[in-house]
Amino acid sequence: AQKVTQAQTEISVVEKEDVTLDCVYETRDTTYYLFWYKQPPSGELVFLIRRNSFDEQNEISGRYSWNFQKSTSSFNFTITASQVVDSAVYFCALSEVDSNYQLIWGAGTKLIIKP
Amino acid sequence: DAGVIQSPRHEVTEMGQEVTLRCKPISGHDYLFWYRQTMMRGLELLIYFNNNVPIDDSGMPEDRFSAKMPNASFSTLKIQPSEPRDSAVYFCASSFGTFEQFFGPGTRLTVL
Repeated sequence: AQKVTQAQTEISVVEKEDVTLDCVYETRDTTYYLFWYKQPPSGELVFLIRRNSFDEQNEISGRYSWNFQKSTSSFNFTITASQVVDSAVYFCALSEVDSNYQLIWGAGTKLIIKP
Repeated sequence: DAGVIQSPRHEVTEMGQEVTLRCKPISGHDYLFWYRQTMMRGLELLIYFNNNVPIDDSGMPEDRFSAKMPNASFSTLKIQPSEPRDSAVYFCASSFGTFEQFFGPGTRLTVL
């Protein structure tokens, strides 16, 4: 069973639009961590955020914000006023006791920001 | 602080040749991971080490693949003999405990 689902394979928006990337996870553990990584066209994987299961506070970092909702097992990522430089593949990942805290990756969402 | 360092960045070799990929983790990190990324299979964990000891190598595709970590600051992933289907981007990552992993720039391997 897929544990991290990123249902949006590709999203294309025009610059300055807001965009939300969805991430739904599945776990039986009460203690777990959720992550977002960015992979720009240059290929490197860049860590964006980590949340633990006991902290449901939303996080904002500049134009980026994350909405963690345990009730719906979701950890969505919103980019406000998108820019061309935000174009990348974004991965959501889960780590849990059952998997010895190794990262379980979603398939990724390719975000295209058009000028 | 230096991030994870990988070498070479690009490697082109012929089928049957030995390939060695190198990684220097972030100083102080106690976990090291080797991943492979392809369009078909996405990101795959190959093997990971904790305090230089291999913990789980179940992701290593075949006996042709081997990995070592002789000390806390160096690891290698070796493919011998290489095959065209091994062509991929190989990432090394490190972490402190079970926290976020930081990735190197990757090695793009092409086996002709």
